[in-house]
Amino acid sequence: GAVVSQHPSRVICKSGTSVKIECRSLDFQATTMFWYRQFPKQSLMLMATSNEGSKATYEQGVEKDKFLINHASLTLSTLTVTSAHPEDSSFYICSARVGGASYEQYFGPGTRLTVT
Amino acid sequence: KNQVEQSPQSLIILEGKNCTLQCNYTVSPFSNLRWYKQDTGRGPVSLTIMTFSENTKSNGRYTATLDADTKQSSLHITASQLSDSASYICVVSPTNDYKLSFGAGTTVTVRA
Repeated sequence: GAVVSQHPSRVICKSGTSVKIECRSLDFQATTMFWYRQFPKQSLMLMATSNEGSKATYEQGVEKDKFLINHASLTLSTLTVTSAHPEDSSFYICSARVGGASYEQYFGPGTRLTVT
Repeated sequence: KNQVEQSPQSLIILEGKNCTLQCNYTVSPFSNLRWYKQDTGRGPVSLTIMTFSENTKSNGRYTATLDADTKQSSLHITASQLSDSASYICVVSPTNDYKLSFGAGTTVTVRA
């Protein structure tokens, strides 16, 4: 149980275009989903926290107009990188929390974004 | 500031040998500590999770220890295999927040 999927697993896009990444909790309802970014040889950095039906909370230094997050249902959150630039190339990982008193987070397999 | 420090940054071991990874943290108040294995290009996969009252937890050839008094944890890999080559990340969860504190990870390379 507690499986989180991401789609796509890899994406290459041209500079200036937008790309959408999906995060799904497959066998549980996630009241909260998290988006992380990971650069090579570095650990995960939290970008934002999204709660179903409300606006995402962004970490300091993360541009909310550039990284659009939507959490329309209890099993789906999307991250849209708008007007992508080469420096946005990174590994994006989502995680999902079951909710209630549990702080357990389950991670997705990640999405490798390359902006050319 | 909640911090998690891991050592060594990387290590190379021969197949069949054992190794131990270290994690020191300052997260307080403390809820639980987890060790994750992250293969290159993949998301983290949970190996062990320990709460304040637990001293040791095993998952196959992986054994984690926790000393909540000194705020130290270790992950011991026994009889390493080539498939153990990965980054191992120590993650600490506070009791009053959902935000996790991540260590930078230890990159383990197992060579034949």
